[in-house]
Amino acid sequence: DAKTTQPNSMESNEEEPVHLPCNHSTISGTDYIHWYRQLPSQGPEYVIHGLTSNVNNRMASLAIAEDRKSSTLILHRATLRDAAVYYCILRDGDQAGTALIFGKGTTLSVSS
Amino acid sequence: KAGVTQTPRYLIKTRGQQVTLSCSPISGHRSVSWYQQTPGQGLQFLFEYFSETQRNKGNFPGRFSGRQFSNSRSEMNVSTLELGDSALYLCASSLVPQGTDTQYFGPGTRLTVL
Repeated sequence: DAKTTQPNSMESNEEEPVHLPCNHSTISGTDYIHWYRQLPSQGPEYVIHGLTSNVNNRMASLAIAEDRKSSTLILHRATLRDAAVYYCILRDGDQAGTALIFGKGTTLSVSS
Repeated sequence: KAGVTQTPRYLIKTRGQQVTLSCSPISGHRSVSWYQQTPGQGLQFLFEYFSETQRNKGNFPGRFSGRQFSNSRSEMNVSTLELGDSALYLCASSLVPQGTDTQYFGPGTRLTVL
C-alpha cells in the first residue's frame, strides 16, 4: 500500500474550521483516500473517503488535489467532540481485502 | 442496528496463559478484521476473515490465531501470552472484503498481561 504523511499534531479553536492535510505522493490510480478518526477510549470510526472528486458528508469534506498527491480533510466547525487522532489511509479499490494500514495520524486538539 | 460488540471489554492474564477474545459484527456484515493497538506500534492489522476463511494476515507470530463462525462472529486467540501482548484489541466488520468498503470498529478489548 502507498504511504501517507500527516503532521503529528494540530490545534484548533471551537467553532472554527480545521484543515487536516495528508500527502500521498506515490498514490496509484486505483487507490481510494480514506479518513478514519479515533476518539479517546474508543475504536476508530469512518469519516469519509474519495477517489478523485471532492466529497462531502455530514461529518466533513474531503478536498483532493488535482494530481491526487495530497488531500485535505475539512471539519467546517470544530467542536470539542472532534478532538481525536485522524488517520489518512490509502486503499486499493481493485484489491479484495479489508486491511487498513494505519500510520501515526494527526492528533487534533480543540480548545473552547 | 446494533454496532460491533466485543467481549470481554477488559481482561487481565499472566504470562504463559492463553486468551480468547470474541467479536460480533454488525448484522449482515460478513467480513471481520482484527487489529492490535499499542502505544509503541500504534494500530496494526492482525488478520481478516470472510465466509469462515482467513483472507489476509498481518505480520504477527503464530501465537495469534483466529476463526470465524457461520454466523460471522469471530474469535481471536493468543497463546503463551507475553508482556508485550498487552494492548487494545479491536475488531472491525464490513459488508464484504472490498478495498472501498467502510469498516466499523468495536470498542475493543483491553488485555493486560502481568
